[in-house]
Amino acid sequence: QKEVEQDPGPLSVPEGAIVSLNCTYSNSAFQYFMWYRQYSRKGPELLMYTYSSGNKEDGRFTAQVDKSSKYISLFIRDSQPSDSATYLCAMGGGSEKLVFGKGTKLTVNP
Amino acid sequence: EAGVVQSPRYKIIEKKQPVAFWCNPISGHNTLYWYRQNLGQGPELLIRYENEEAVDDSQLPKDRFSAERLKGVDSTLKIQPAELGDSAVYLCASSLGGLPSGGYTFGSGTRLTVV
Repeated sequence: QKEVEQDPGPLSVPEGAIVSLNCTYSNSAFQYFMWYRQYSRKGPELLMYTYSSGNKEDGRFTAQVDKSSKYISLFIRDSQPSDSATYLCAMGGGSEKLVFGKGTKLTVNP
Repeated sequence: EAGVVQSPRYKIIEKKQPVAFWCNPISGHNTLYWYRQNLGQGPELLIRYENEEAVDDSQLPKDRFSAERLKGVDSTLKIQPAELGDSAVYLCASSLGGLPSGGYTFGSGTRLTVV
């Protein structure tokens, strides 16, 4: 079992839809949870950062962490074509090593 | 503020040739990371530096890969000799205080193709 599992998609939605992206993990030591957005031929860009469990909201983006279920989510409201990218979950704890999911490729159609 | 700068952006080499990648982190960031991202995969850590010291190189294939971070600023990652399986995007990232201070900032990466 990989430490971090993420459905690679691809996921295609119409503009304005609510998007839900998820990851599961197996390492109980993880305390820091992140979502990165990666446009084609670019490096990953930090979108959301969460410590421990709970929710965090930033504009149209909401990150949720459920440590009891080892499950994290990213919600995108009112999705826009500019949100089309690959979304990577990442997590770490204990050591400084960030472990990434495979990424989910999202396309938002106008 | 300038971000993490990497060069070159693209590199195509023949197998068995050497290649080097360069990274300039964000000013003041003492922690520097090299990650490798294979097609359709998430990045995987190769090596982490705290200032000049490589504190985690457990994932670095030391028979052909080497890295250095002179004066705790710029860093170079080298592959010699390159193999076909080394084709990937090599990402450099930096952070001010590690995970408790927030996520890492990545550069745009160097896309290596070995033919």
